[in-house]
Amino acid sequence: GEEVAQTPKHLVRGEGQKAKLYCAPIKGHSYVFWYQQVLKNEFKFLISFQNENVFDETGMPKERFSAKCLPNSPCSLEIQATKLEDSAVYFCASSRDRGPGDEQFFGPGTRLTVL
Amino acid sequence: AQSVAQPEDQVNVAEGNPLTVKCTYSVSGNPYLFWYVQYPNRGLQFLLKYITGDNLVKGSYGFEAEFNKSQTSFHLKKPSALVSDSALYFCAVPTSGTYKYIFGTGTRLKVLA
Repeated sequence: GEEVAQTPKHLVRGEGQKAKLYCAPIKGHSYVFWYQQVLKNEFKFLISFQNENVFDETGMPKERFSAKCLPNSPCSLEIQATKLEDSAVYFCASSRDRGPGDEQFFGPGTRLTVL
Repeated sequence: AQSVAQPEDQVNVAEGNPLTVKCTYSVSGNPYLFWYVQYPNRGLQFLLKYITGDNLVKGSYGFEAEFNKSQTSFHLKKPSALVSDSALYFCAVPTSGTYKYIFGTGTRLKVLA
């Protein structure tokens, strides 16, 4: 499609529960980025993929977070045991090619609330 | 390390007046700079980018941005603000090598009727 799709729009989890978020990048885009937007609108990078390969995972808290981008499937971001501080809006973005001049196109986000 | 700064949390402007949202940058090498807009409960929408060439970049919805190398700035501008321009604006710079964005802290633009 021509837009990045993210599901679900909203997700509510109790602390310790699992959360799984999905992202379908724009068709033909090779790169997928996940960002977390927290209080005060701060964006934090989590992970990026080139097709199904992890490209940069320096932002991932690996003990609880994992992500995949498999062929012919939406990308996913999973939090194994959610904590209160994981409450945020999670955005997925895709770009056509790898290069600093290529803009990223963002999905509408998934709002995760951890109670 | 790449960074951007947006010195104003909020900018208020009257409808019909020109608007400016400020961004300064610190990058090594050639700068690549982006502006995005976020409407309530929406994702980021790309407005414009500077790669190289003309210092005045034109983008979507009548926005433009001026790249100033000596002042390391990339301010977003619009000649005549609309109430519908009210939103959160972010400037961003890609990191070297992996191209993840470093975002500014955002500036809330309020256009008053």
